[in-house]
Amino acid sequence: ETGVTQSPTHLIKTRGQQVTLRCSSQSGHNTVSWYQQALGQGPQFIFQYYREEENGRGNFPPRFSGLQFPNYSSELNVNALELDDSALYLCASSSDKQGNYGYTFGSGTRLTVV
Amino acid sequence: AQSVAQPEDQVNVAEGNPLTVKCTYSVSGNPYLFWYVQYPNRGLQFLLKYITGDNLVKGSYGFEAEFNKSQTSFHLKKPSALVSDSALYFCAVRDSRFGNFNKFYFGSGTKLNVKP
Repeated sequence: ETGVTQSPTHLIKTRGQQVTLRCSSQSGHNTVSWYQQALGQGPQFIFQYYREEENGRGNFPPRFSGLQFPNYSSELNVNALELDDSALYLCASSSDKQGNYGYTFGSGTRLTVV
Repeated sequence: AQSVAQPEDQVNVAEGNPLTVKCTYSVSGNPYLFWYVQYPNRGLQFLLKYITGDNLVKGSYGFEAEFNKSQTSFHLKKPSALVSDSALYFCAVRDSRFGNFNKFYFGSGTKLNVKP
């Protein structure tokens, strides 16, 4: 049973709107990464947070932003939603920023932009 | 550039037969390789990893993977498939360059179908 919880599980938004996705990391994990998984594709790295600071970023525009809180939970914010933002958004936590021990993934938030 | 290729979109195997899911990689430095499995409407579950050491890595649920540096491959294997192994499998490589330890590159996934 996964120790990472994401909310909401499903979400429908209109193009141009803003959305916030939430993630509670597994107990003892101080690193959170966010991935976008479009239909039929592998997950794409968005960014990672380590102890409340961004620790790396993939090829996503600035309208994708995030936060990590003192309890290591995290938010992914997407502004000015586009149709192509429709995807499964996965949060993953790990006990070290290198990911040496692998990541624990949540079940994801399915975002649909119409 | 770091990348992973999974050449088969789908693999079909009969229950009890051995299975192989293929993965090749391209990295600038030492490869840190992982396999994950995804069941419908679930997140990814860690199966196994190779960072250093023996080329044959054993993981969860009876899976193993063989690291082959000369062929830049990291194929996932299991001696005897179960129907419950049917799922989507992802190979991933971690960017080992300094300052980029955190970034994983995933393949496009291989759907494994195990028939009774």
